[in-house]
Amino acid sequence: EIVMTQTPLSLSVTPGQPASISCTSSQSLLHSDGDTYFYWYLQRPGQSPQLLIYEVSNRFSGVPDRFSGSGTGTNFTLKISRVEADDVGVYYCMQSLQLPPTFGQGTKVEI
Amino acid sequence: QVQLVESGGGVVLPGRSLRLSCAASGFTFNNYGMHWVRQAPGKGLEWVAVISKDGDKKYHADSVKGRFTISRDTSKNTLYLQMNSLQSEDTAVYYCAKGLRHLESWGQGTLVTVSS
Repeated sequence: EIVMTQTPLSLSVTPGQPASISCTSSQSLLHSDGDTYFYWYLQRPGQSPQLLIYEVSNRFSGVPDRFSGSGTGTNFTLKISRVEADDVGVYYCMQSLQLPPTFGQGTKVEI
Repeated sequence: QVQLVESGGGVVLPGRSLRLSCAASGFTFNNYGMHWVRQAPGKGLEWVAVISKDGDKKYHADSVKGRFTISRDTSKNTLYLQMNSLQSEDTAVYYCAKGLRHLESWGQGTLVTVSS
């Protein structure tokens, strides 16, 4: 199975400042159809996960534009341009190129 | 709007069975693949199973293969997870999620506790 590795595992941020999380996959997530099946999710405290970014860099409906995703192949990054208090929680990366879909360990973001 | 409501969780003895349900509304259920994902207490996310939109393709994680079965009833807009031979390691919150490649909407989860 494809192993997803996130860094850092915890991040203390200051409101208004930028933040960045990295995720590396054990093999390329580029499909022969040209899409890269890589995603970012946020799980706020006490809530279910929600999709933030799909296929590397596309913000899901309703996601603020302070969130951005980038990367190719096996290396991916989630950036928050200016952190807000509502951004605390655990961020997960995920791949669905191959079964089983696999998640990173999660990055806990706190203010 | 999309709603996914899980039910059927509870406390169960090791070796017993449980069936989880996920009632879907706000979208055309039979147009989407569906997943089950679980989260053990204080741990990360673990994918459990996926079913295609028409129900003819099903895949399960190795950790549950042969014990759990995903299914769907399009007439009831409901996703199921039949869990047999439950073990303590199956203790988790179980989420259903909509979508095939990307899990775009998640339910609130239902807690399954396997304990004697």
